[in-house]
Amino acid sequence: EAGVAQSPRYKIIEKRQSVAFWCNPISGHATLYWYQQILGQGPKLLIQFQNNGVVDDSQLPKDRFSAERLKGVDSTLKIQPAKLEDSAVYLCASSYLAGELDEQFFGPGTRLTVL
Amino acid sequence: DAKTTQPNSMESNEEEPVHLPCNHSTISGTDYIHWYRQLPSQGPEYVIHGLTSNVNNRMASLAIAEDRKSSTLILHRATLRDAAVYYCIPGGYNFNKFYFGSGTKLNVKP
Repeated sequence: EAGVAQSPRYKIIEKRQSVAFWCNPISGHATLYWYQQILGQGPKLLIQFQNNGVVDDSQLPKDRFSAERLKGVDSTLKIQPAKLEDSAVYLCASSYLAGELDEQFFGPGTRLTVL
Repeated sequence: DAKTTQPNSMESNEEEPVHLPCNHSTISGTDYIHWYRQLPSQGPEYVIHGLTSNVNNRMASLAIAEDRKSSTLILHRATLRDAAVYYCIPGGYNFNKFYFGSGTKLNVKP
């Protein structure tokens, strides 16, 4: 079974530029999550989708971050414009359902460096 | 939200048991206790979860205190591949309350 795919793996941009990350979850998984992991910290949930609807985006900085999940499968996370503090690893995860007991499967992440 | 206290780092010898402690004194009665781990340069992976009773799976065992204010993840025979950051997460139903914290970095010596 293929895992969660993310691209690109690495991205370097200058502040005020825009960037987009792509995630392809495990086939059949209804729930998709985007996390931000700053160096030395644990992952922080940014947004959760159930199929193509947003379940929770309370921790998403909506003035600069946006995310969509077209057709309930792939998802993109965009930052526009980027700030220095956005430097982090962006992790995508998926689970079959949305329940607490449902194991989350994580992708390898995209490491973003903002100069 | 229930927060956790874990040692910043621990060290173990290969093929010896490892006990990773976690304090979660503010856990609610309905929160499960989840453990995930993150290998270097990878995303986190699920290890185990439990509510009240001790739990075992192929990766580890989870011992939960009777008052549920603490738990211990037990790796029965540590291998070099077990070197990772281990996160203890008292989880609510909604994952916006799924607080990873900083975890415990486990170093396994050959």
